[in-house]
Amino acid sequence: DARVTQTPRDKVTEMGQEVTMRCQPILGHNTVFWYRQTMMQGLELLAYFRNRAPLDDSGMPKDRFSAEMPDATLATLKIQPSEPRDSAVYFCASGLVPGSTSQQFFGPGTRLTVL
Amino acid sequence: DQQVKQNSPSLSVQEGRISILNCDYTNSMFDYFLWYKKYPAEGPTFLISISSIKDKNEDGRFTVFLNKSAKHLSLHIVPSQPGDSAVYFCAASAREIQGAQKLVFGQGTRLTINP
Repeated sequence: DARVTQTPRDKVTEMGQEVTMRCQPILGHNTVFWYRQTMMQGLELLAYFRNRAPLDDSGMPKDRFSAEMPDATLATLKIQPSEPRDSAVYFCASGLVPGSTSQQFFGPGTRLTVL
Repeated sequence: DQQVKQNSPSLSVQEGRISILNCDYTNSMFDYFLWYKKYPAEGPTFLISISSIKDKNEDGRFTVFLNKSAKHLSLHIVPSQPGDSAVYFCAASAREIQGAQKLVFGQGTRLTINP
């Protein structure tokens, strides 16, 4: 049963600390997306990669957020320094291009709380 | 600016009746639309989609209708079941390639099915 996995599932940290979230896309998928879910904005796209190359990170605050794909099986999202307004649920999703479907398959999310 | 809008944050429906969730979009370049369903503490899962060349797509109890002139789509669930209680996200893309690509999501509508 192929799934996107994310770690950690929950993270509580103090303002100013570095936070790293990890995602393992479904094996064989070549496109990875990072989203943030907030009450006001719903699901916001932060960044996405295809074949490990960043295609669009315009949704990401550049001064504190960074996203990378060190290899095809790992995507990371880092926040440094973290702020209380970063508190949200962060989702990773993966998909295939070219593919028969436009579906993205989501992981369970990382719930981040910055105190 | 919110290119995809779900104006109803919540909806409550009696079990067995029809649930209608609405979504509006502003970008005329969008040509592919998806609905995702999300349970608490889980990632969104794909439900149903529709291409702009169609005005209706049906899958079991779920039907999506697209009105391109009004830039409006709706998801109908009939009959509604308690297991349908979840948050529903509408998403849209300008599908330039085949496969998983950038989606713009709405804010979500929380559907509650009452026994």
